[in-house]
Amino acid sequence: KAGVTQTPRYLIKTRGQQVTLSCSPISGHRSVSWYQQTPGQGLQFLFEYFSETQRNKGNFPGRFSGRQFSNSRSEMNVSTLELGDSALYLCASSSGTGGGYEQYFGPGTRLTVT
Amino acid sequence: AQSVAQPEDQVNVAEGNPLTVKCTYSVSGNPYLFWYVQYPNRGLQFLLKYITGDNLVKGSYGFEAEFNKSQTSFHLKKPSALVSDSALYFCAVPGAGSYQLTFGKGTKLSVIP
Repeated sequence: KAGVTQTPRYLIKTRGQQVTLSCSPISGHRSVSWYQQTPGQGLQFLFEYFSETQRNKGNFPGRFSGRQFSNSRSEMNVSTLELGDSALYLCASSSGTGGGYEQYFGPGTRLTVT
Repeated sequence: AQSVAQPEDQVNVAEGNPLTVKCTYSVSGNPYLFWYVQYPNRGLQFLLKYITGDNLVKGSYGFEAEFNKSQTSFHLKKPSALVSDSALYFCAVPGAGSYQLTFGKGTKLSVIP
């Protein structure tokens, strides 16, 4: 099976712009989560989706939003970019819901805001 | 709130020696615990998980982890380290009622030839 794919892999944006990142989960996985990784804050949870419904959201401002489509693909959007949004954004998928299921991560999208 | 702590930012070990990467947890109820590894410029890879049952969990690439309830620890171990094991290791715990993961700060493992 193909793994989790994320596009684009690298992105450079200017402050104030907006950006959309895409994630395709492993075939058959209906749960998708997003994480932000920075050197200072480490790995932080952004969103969790299951069957097109957002089940959980982390402690991020409203500029961060996401959605999931009927084919389980997911997108996240960041509007009005700030320098502090520079990070590696990781998407993960899981075959089920509940804490006992491991998540499989994509390679990430490296976002640089200048 | 569920949390994990990794007390060591970096662990250095000689190739061929046993390695241990430490993790302690604070959770309510019976914990689910995970270990992930991240190689440079890559996403996280699942290594192993503890759900219930045997306290010694075996995972990928020869890694294993020992769950210790009395010490609230879940240390990652490998009997003989390889240079290719050099990477960033994360311990993680899911939130109550969800599977959003809370990660430790990560431990950088360097295996010296």
